[in-house]
Amino acid sequence: DQQVKQNSPSLSVQEGRISILNCDYTNSMFDYFLWYKKYPAEGPTFLISISSIKDKNEDGRFTVFLNKSAKHLSLHIVPSQPGDSAVYFCAASASGAGSYQLTFGKGTKLSVIP
Amino acid sequence: DSGVTQTPKHLITATGQRVTLRCSPRSGDLSVYWYQQSLDQGLQFLIQYYNGEERAKGNILERFSAQQFPDLHSELNLSSLELGDSALYFCASSISGADYTEAFFGQGTRLTVV
Repeated sequence: DQQVKQNSPSLSVQEGRISILNCDYTNSMFDYFLWYKKYPAEGPTFLISISSIKDKNEDGRFTVFLNKSAKHLSLHIVPSQPGDSAVYFCAASASGAGSYQLTFGKGTKLSVIP
Repeated sequence: DSGVTQTPKHLITATGQRVTLRCSPRSGDLSVYWYQQSLDQGLQFLIQYYNGEERAKGNILERFSAQQFPDLHSELNLSSLELGDSALYFCASSISGADYTEAFFGQGTRLTVV
């Protein structure tokens, strides 16, 4: 049973446009959400996070939106740049569980076309 | 460079064999996490250690075991290997294990079981 789902395996966007990556989750105990970016032959790199007490968090070109009622979050990248081309993983954790293990989605491969 | 070192980078071994993957966390980080990424799958949490003690356990098979040593490096032991164990194995580390914004991933060990 996949608790974190990224239903789009891939996404192509023109440089300068907005990239929107989506993520759905099923476990209502999740209260902390993160996005990681992964380049080939490298480990995932933390990008941005959001706590369940917020519905938006912004960091430069990256904004994460959380809709708790829909159990949905999205990552917006504006403007998209060719260097953003990577696989993006959505992850979630349930802090009340006593540990901070992350549950990851399968990832979305973003291609930003110059 | 995340500061987390994993060795070896690549490993090819036969079914039934036993291998050990090694992880050196960032200097000062007390917590180590192990994740498995199989083909077309998200990262699956295996196990977490904090300052030498097991903190949390995920979907780790009984054939797999891990430990964290006094110098804080960690080893993941995989035994009686099967073809399905072929995957990327990532190690991550963080200072406290309670704040994922501080978690840094290594480059991973690619295990191929033939």
